[in-house]
Amino acid sequence: QKEVEQDPGPLSVPEGAIVSLNCTYSNSAFQYFMWYRQYSRKGPELLMYTYSSGNKEDGRFTAQVDKSSKYISLFIRDSQPSDSATYLCAPQGGSEKLVFGKGTKLTVNP
Amino acid sequence: GAVVSQHPSRVICKSGTSVKIECRSLDFQATTMFWYRQFPKQSLMLMATSNEGSKATYEQGVEKDKFLINHASLTLSTLTVTSAHPEDSSFYICSARAPGGPEQFFGPGTRLTVL
Repeated sequence: QKEVEQDPGPLSVPEGAIVSLNCTYSNSAFQYFMWYRQYSRKGPELLMYTYSSGNKEDGRFTAQVDKSSKYISLFIRDSQPSDSATYLCAPQGGSEKLVFGKGTKLTVNP
Repeated sequence: GAVVSQHPSRVICKSGTSVKIECRSLDFQATTMFWYRQFPKQSLMLMATSNEGSKATYEQGVEKDKFLINHASLTLSTLTVTSAHPEDSSFYICSARAPGGPEQFFGPGTRLTVL
């Protein structure tokens, strides 16, 4: 079993839709849960992160972590064409290392 | 967010030559820097972790004599791909971790093509 599983998509939604992106993980030692956005041929950009279980909101983005089920989610409200990118979940444990999911490619259609 | 730069953004070289890639944290001192490689349509794979003034720690399967890492200061790390071959062609990305938090900030990446 891979440490982090993420559905690669692709996911296509109309502008204004609510988008749900998800990952599962197997390592109970993960403490921080990062979400990155990567545009084509660019480096990843940190969107937000959560520590342990719970929710965190930042503008149109909400991150959720359920450590009991080892499930990570990122919700995007009122999606925009500029949100079209690949979204990567990346949990981190005590070693500082990030373990990346494969990424989900999102397209928001105008 | 914090800014990390990489240079060059793109490099094409002949097989057998060496290529150096620089990674700089522009507005913070990075306690730790990381080097990743990303093949097309795949996720980022960690190659090595480097701390200023000490030897880099390489991930399993990464040849330390082929991928030389020097972390000369708290704002600069370099990756040298020695005797590059076409199979080394990839997108190389660095990240830097600022003190006091878990966040890693990524550079824009360097696309290496070995002919």
